[in-house]
Amino acid sequence: DTAVSQTPKYLVTQMGNDKSIKCEQNLGHDTMYWYKQDSKKFLKIMFSYNNKELIINETVPNRFSPKSPDKAHLNLHINSLELGDSAVYFCASSQGGRRTQYFGPGTRLLVL
Amino acid sequence: GQQVMQIPQYQHVQEGEDFTTYCNSSTTLSNIQWYKQRPGGHPVFLIQLVKSGEVKKQKRLTFQFGEAKKNSSLHITATQTTDVGTYFCSFFNFNKFYFGSGTKLNVKP
Repeated sequence: DTAVSQTPKYLVTQMGNDKSIKCEQNLGHDTMYWYKQDSKKFLKIMFSYNNKELIINETVPNRFSPKSPDKAHLNLHINSLELGDSAVYFCASSQGGRRTQYFGPGTRLLVL
Repeated sequence: GQQVMQIPQYQHVQEGEDFTTYCNSSTTLSNIQWYKQRPGGHPVFLIQLVKSGEVKKQKRLTFQFGEAKKNSSLHITATQTTDVGTYFCSFFNFNKFYFGSGTKLNVKP
């Protein structure tokens, strides 16, 4: 059973389009995260939700909007995609107070 | 903002050689974690260190947390091709995880 799953795994789209990435965790964790990993492998946190509440919102363009319908799901919607949005997006989860994060397999986004 | 510097950026070794990556912070850390990301894969948690001077071992991997809790290292003895990947250090502070820039390890058979 996959602990943290993401869909889709690959996403190729045109500039200006809107796309969504979905994440689900079955670990019973209360905190979920979105990270962006660029071509140089640098991992940067974008958002964090704890029990469906947004607790971290880094300096991310307004075109990115996370949504957590329940504590097992965290989705990321991106409007008006730009070339610079091309990256791997990782979802992760952890249990509050514990510092171990479990990462999803990643979504490889390519904007043409 | 808070950050950790990780060196080296890349390391190429012959199989059987040792490998070490270092993580340095300008401020005292309360904790440090290490992750491994295989090529094309996702970061996988390896270990967490929280005590000053702590040393933990996992088979051929040795993890250290400095006495001043400002640096940490991951040492791999006698590397194997299965060790290939990028190794990240990370610390948790104020509800957020901060990651080092990673050390990419390549092992030549």
